[in-house]
Amino acid sequence: SAVISQKPSRDICQRGTSLTIQCQVDSQVTMMFWYRQQPGQSLTLIATANQGSEATYESGFVIDKFPISRPNLTFSTLTVSNMSPEDSSIYLCSVGSWGGQETQYFGPGTRLLVL
Amino acid sequence: SQQGEEDPQALSIQEGENATMNCSYKTSINNLQWYRQNSGRGLVHLILIRSNEREKHSGRLRVTLDTSKKSSSLLITASRAADTASYFCATFSGSRLTFGEGTQLTVNP
Repeated sequence: SAVISQKPSRDICQRGTSLTIQCQVDSQVTMMFWYRQQPGQSLTLIATANQGSEATYESGFVIDKFPISRPNLTFSTLTVSNMSPEDSSIYLCSVGSWGGQETQYFGPGTRLLVL
Repeated sequence: SQQGEEDPQALSIQEGENATMNCSYKTSINNLQWYRQNSGRGLVHLILIRSNEREKHSGRLRVTLDTSKKSSSLLITASRAADTASYFCATFSGSRLTFGEGTQLTVNP
């Protein structure tokens, strides 16, 4: 299994600002995923990030709001731009086992509160 | 509505009792998985059952899958206070993993 770390673990931000979340994996992986979990709810996939290509966004999520970088096979960042209180959520990165996404290993999450 | 609806939404039991959680889904799947999440932290993969399997065990966990009813259940036997967490089913289909709404399990010591 992969060991995944995220920074920051939590943050409190003012509306209109942006926050970049980092995700580091202890092994090289092809696919990395970013999820949002709003308070008391399930996980929603934001985008899939493959190294060397543009991230693929799910319906309802756009690059201008959630730009993603994937500079190498062990690292990715997600930026939450121009934040509003509705962006208050836990943001989780994950990687798939065996290079795919059938089973996923998750980071500890970043708990974001926007005031 | 969303793929992967779970029931009950919340379950409270005493230590030593068994806990059963159910998951229903709408489309055909390759496999179904269960994950645990402690206190808003990252998810931990518990068990995977493939569409051609009916039952699977892992330690105190027992998962069943009924593809004709598009439903699955997770049984945790001899529960412990440390089992207190949210449990999510997730269906894998068409290269996509889709999570259910989750069941909050509380095991009282």
